Amino acid sequence: AQSVTQPDIHITVSEGASLELRCNYSYGATPYLFWYVQSPGQGLQLLLKYFSGDTLVQGIKGFEAEFKRSQSSFNLRKPSVHWSDAAEYFCAVVLRSGGSYIPTFGRGTSLIVHP
Amino acid sequence: NAGVTQTPKFQVLKTGQSMTLQCAQDMNHNSMYWYQQDPGMGLRLIYYSASEGTTDKGEVPNGYNVSRLNKREFSLRLESAAPSQTSVYFCASSESRMQVGANVLTFGAGSRLTVL
Repeated sequence: AQSVTQPDIHITVSEGASLELRCNYSYGATPYLFWYVQSPGQGLQLLLKYFSGDTLVQGIKGFEAEFKRSQSSFNLRKPSVHWSDAAEYFCAVVLRSGGSYIPTFGRGTSLIVHP
Repeated sequence: NAGVTQTPKFQVLKTGQSMTLQCAQDMNHNSMYWYQQDPGMGLRLIYYSASEGTTDKGEVPNGYNVSRLNKREFSLRLESAAPSQTSVYFCASSESRMQVGANVLTFGAGSRLTVL
């Protein structure tokens, strides 16, 4: 089945440390990939997206992600984490179903930032 | 800059009661969605509306109905609430479901529903 997997339920990092959140997808065709962030008590906000072209994409808040077709991955990275980055992060893939494109989300990774 | 507005933000129901969650967007988006969020489960699509006048089932539609009242509004109804429907519900919208490049979702703040 076509799906998106986030292997890590929780990630804990110290403020100032680097961060990598993993996302793997299972999809036969070229995927359209997204990362969203959810701050406590809020809705989701788009961090970045990949449709085609350069496999390293830049997003808001200093985040970037790299699409690796050979590994079926779209990992999110940040070189130096700030306390305000503590949130839930969701990877999403847009899958084609008939004539529609359906956003499907991973289960999320909760980021905890220690001072 | 209201974006996507959901009401109510919180609701407590008894088993068997009915209620409607309201959602409105002011971005002139064509497509609207209802997602259910439970801890460790991510967001699961309940129903979506590709355009005004159309609705389709998502991954978890059982126990829910929807109405696309007009281009702005998309409501979710629970006819007979069950404790298993205790969850946080998110409404989202996008410019057009049919064009993946335009399929970036804008989310509301969520509605937390508890069924006793």
